Amino acid sequence: ETGVTQSPTHLIKTRGQQVTLRCSSQSGHNTVSWYQQALGQGPQFIFQYYREEENGRGNFPPRFSGLQFPNYSSELNVNALELDDSALYLCASSSGRIANYGYTFGSGTRLTVV
Amino acid sequence: DAKTTQPPSMDCAEGRAANLPCNHSTISGNEYVYWYRQIHSQGPQYIIHGLKNNETNEMASLIITEDRKSSTLILPHATLRDTAVYYCIARGLQNSGSARQLTFGSGTQLTVLP
Repeated sequence: ETGVTQSPTHLIKTRGQQVTLRCSSQSGHNTVSWYQQALGQGPQFIFQYYREEENGRGNFPPRFSGLQFPNYSSELNVNALELDDSALYLCASSSGRIANYGYTFGSGTRLTVV
Repeated sequence: DAKTTQPPSMDCAEGRAANLPCNHSTISGNEYVYWYRQIHSQGPQYIIHGLKNNETNEMASLIITEDRKSSTLILPHATLRDTAVYYCIARGLQNSGSARQLTFGSGTQLTVLP
């Protein structure tokens, strides 16, 4: 059991639609990061939230946005979906205290845009 | 974060040691070497990390050369369940609240053969 759960596990959306992906972190983990993993590639950093505020962002457009809640859950929202958004979306959590040792990843949400 | 280079694939016989190399010739003095692995259809899993001394835990050993320009992850007795993509990442320490993402490359696909 990883301690990080993501929902849904699979999702199919139509181009132009909006999607919300959810992540429940381990209790006490105040840092959450989201990654996008296209087929055959390594995960790419989207953004990170610390204590409910975004404190870092990768090379992703503003239509990728997020929220982090006090109960250690978080959301990734993607507007105006494009075909290239089809990927595995991974959530990773850590506490500031143990971030240097390793992030705990969820199993991801497989998003398919048609 | 320094760029890392890994072979795209390796095979290893079950029960034998798997030695996965990683080059990080531009690594800076405050960057650690982290290893993660990703088993098919799962999120990445933290394995081990080190700065300049060799490290060992219940999963693996990490050997870092004296000049820190390369390292080797060793799985002492590989099993079929160790078949995965292994990622080597060079990364500085994270201060609480600062975003320090993991920069994944393409990794090494390790296949453990029966």
